[in-house]
Amino acid sequence: GNSVTQMEGPVTLSEEAFLTINCTYTATGYPSLFWYVQYPGEGLQLLLKATKADDKGSNKGFEATYRKETTSFHLEKGSVQVSDSAVYFCAPSGGYQKVTFGTGTKLQVIP
Amino acid sequence: ETGVTQSPTHLIKTRGQQVTLRCSSQSGHNTVSWYQQALGQGPQFIFQYYREEENGRGNFPPRFSGLQFPNYSSELNVNALELDDSALYLCASGGQGQGNTEAFFGQGTRLTVV
Repeated sequence: GNSVTQMEGPVTLSEEAFLTINCTYTATGYPSLFWYVQYPGEGLQLLLKATKADDKGSNKGFEATYRKETTSFHLEKGSVQVSDSAVYFCAPSGGYQKVTFGTGTKLQVIP
Repeated sequence: ETGVTQSPTHLIKTRGQQVTLRCSSQSGHNTVSWYQQALGQGPQFIFQYYREEENGRGNFPPRFSGLQFPNYSSELNVNALELDDSALYLCASGGQGQGNTEAFFGQGTRLTVV
């Protein structure tokens, strides 16, 4: 089965700092890769996705590139805001939307 | 908005009771999956239904069961509730076929067992 490893949190950054959250995965076949975000007390929202090698997903200033050689999908943002404080999940997904989640990385942005 | 709605949003039950959680998927989405997310953890896969048949199950006991209906709605039933069943339960639906990988999540039902 698939599995995912994310950097341990919590990650605490000052506003406007650069963000990187590392994600590596193991999977059978060639999964699509997703980043989901979960704000406090809420469900999961899709942040961005990439469906094949070398694709770059982007949304709201966040970016991640599907690296098949290193089985990675690191999340980056050039300048974080307080409103970005949330838990971020890297999630490979195979056929029939079989999504695998890790424990997530909590991001806290301070003013 | 994902077009996936769950009800109720919050629920409190007593240990030993039974609970039914409901999910309404987007029209045309014939796959629905259910996940359990304990506090501070990532979502764990419970099971998936495809065209009203179970299409995979995670490491959950048989007291977790489900149904999927032709009108794109589904249910998660949990019998003999235990305190550890307290969690956020998420429903996710997706489009037709094995090639579809994107799951659309609802906002979840927060179940508290006391």
